[in-house]
Amino acid sequence: DAGVTQSPTHLIKTRGQQVTLRCSPKSGHDTVSWYQQALGQGPQFIFQYYEEEERQRGNFPDRFSGHQFPNYSSELNVNALLLGDSALYLCASSPYRDNPLEQYFGPGTRLTVT
Amino acid sequence: KQEVTQIPAALSVPEGENLVLNCSFTDSAIYNLQWFRQDPGKGLTSLLLIQSSQREQTSGRLNASLDKSSGRSTLYIAASQPGDSATYLCAALRGGTYKYIFGTGTRLKVLA
Repeated sequence: DAGVTQSPTHLIKTRGQQVTLRCSPKSGHDTVSWYQQALGQGPQFIFQYYEEEERQRGNFPDRFSGHQFPNYSSELNVNALLLGDSALYLCASSPYRDNPLEQYFGPGTRLTVT
Repeated sequence: KQEVTQIPAALSVPEGENLVLNCSFTDSAIYNLQWFRQDPGKGLTSLLLIQSSQREQTSGRLNASLDKSSGRSTLYIAASQPGDSATYLCAALRGGTYKYIFGTGTRLKVLA
């Protein structure tokens, strides 16, 4: 049974560019959350998607947007990249109906903005 | 506003010691408290989840407790091994919300 997968593993972008990160949830999970983890810090909640809609959002600007597809996979889009967006981006999925909100994390995408 | 604090920030111990990692949260109206392990540059591995109706959970050499009234959770690691070296993070979920609030973690190094 595949766990949560994320792509790409690493990414280098230039300030002002746009980036799309992808996440496939664990089999049987229908809820996807995205987190940003700066070096030496705990993950910060960006938003959560359920039934293809954003259910809750953290304190991130509108440059951060997302999408969930009918197969429950999700994308995180960041526009107008800033140096401060360099971080590990983590996706987590949850089996909402069976065990509400216990989260299983993917390996992350390391984004470097130069 | 929920804040989560982890003490100590770093810990270095010889192999075989029993350890206690602490997690404090400011809002007692939590629904879940989840402990994770993170290896350098990697994602998070779930260790234990304690729901608000529970007081503790155990898995192998790990035991986590939850005291909502005092705003504390502890992770107990028995007979530590070098393979336990990692950063340990706790995360609290407030009832009625969907976002976990994470602490900054405890970096553990177990020396052989």
